[in-house]
Amino acid sequence: GENVEQHPSTLSVQEGDSAVIKCTYSDSASNYFPWYKQELGKGPQLIIDIRSNVGEKKDQRIAVTLNKTAKHFSLHITETQPEDSAVYFCAASVTARQLTFGSGTQLTVLP
Amino acid sequence: NAGVTQTPKFQVLKTGQSMTLQCAQDMNHNSMYWYRQDPGMGLRLIYYSASEGTTDKGEVPNGYNVSRLNKREFSLRLESAAPSQTSVYFCASRAKEWTGSGNTIYFGEGSWLTVV
Repeated sequence: GENVEQHPSTLSVQEGDSAVIKCTYSDSASNYFPWYKQELGKGPQLIIDIRSNVGEKKDQRIAVTLNKTAKHFSLHITETQPEDSAVYFCAASVTARQLTFGSGTQLTVLP
Repeated sequence: NAGVTQTPKFQVLKTGQSMTLQCAQDMNHNSMYWYRQDPGMGLRLIYYSASEGTTDKGEVPNGYNVSRLNKREFSLRLESAAPSQTSVYFCASRAKEWTGSGNTIYFGEGSWLTVV
């Protein structure tokens, strides 16, 4: 089955700096790659997603890039703010039935 | 708009006890899911239901049973709880199987379960 590895497990950045979280996946048939943000005590919430026919997608300060050849995708957050502090999960999907999640990255934005 | 609602929020069980986690969604979604979240392991799929009346095993189904009572409700049952089932459980739903913009999975707030 699919295996998703996520790095780093923890990341601290100064407010205003950029943050990058990277994921690799094992199944070349995967074609859907969402990113979720989980705040303390809450359920994960989708922040951005990308399909395998697209190399990059942006939504304000958030962007995701996908390299199908290398089987990796990344989340980029620019101009980080304290409210960006949370756990971020990447995921990959071959079929719509199952998302395989990475192990999560705890992002801390320091004031 | 409540989205995905799950109960209870917190529960402590003794080893061997049984309990049912309830989940309901008001978005008219077809697919529903139960995940468990453990430190350093992300979210792992327990069971999945593509539509009313159908259920499928996920990555970690052992020790659990599910019921898709109707389109809105999907319950998770622990028949004989074990300490290894101490975890945070999330119910989720999705609008469509695999077309258009229907891939977004919406999660509930989570249920914290401790088995002692």
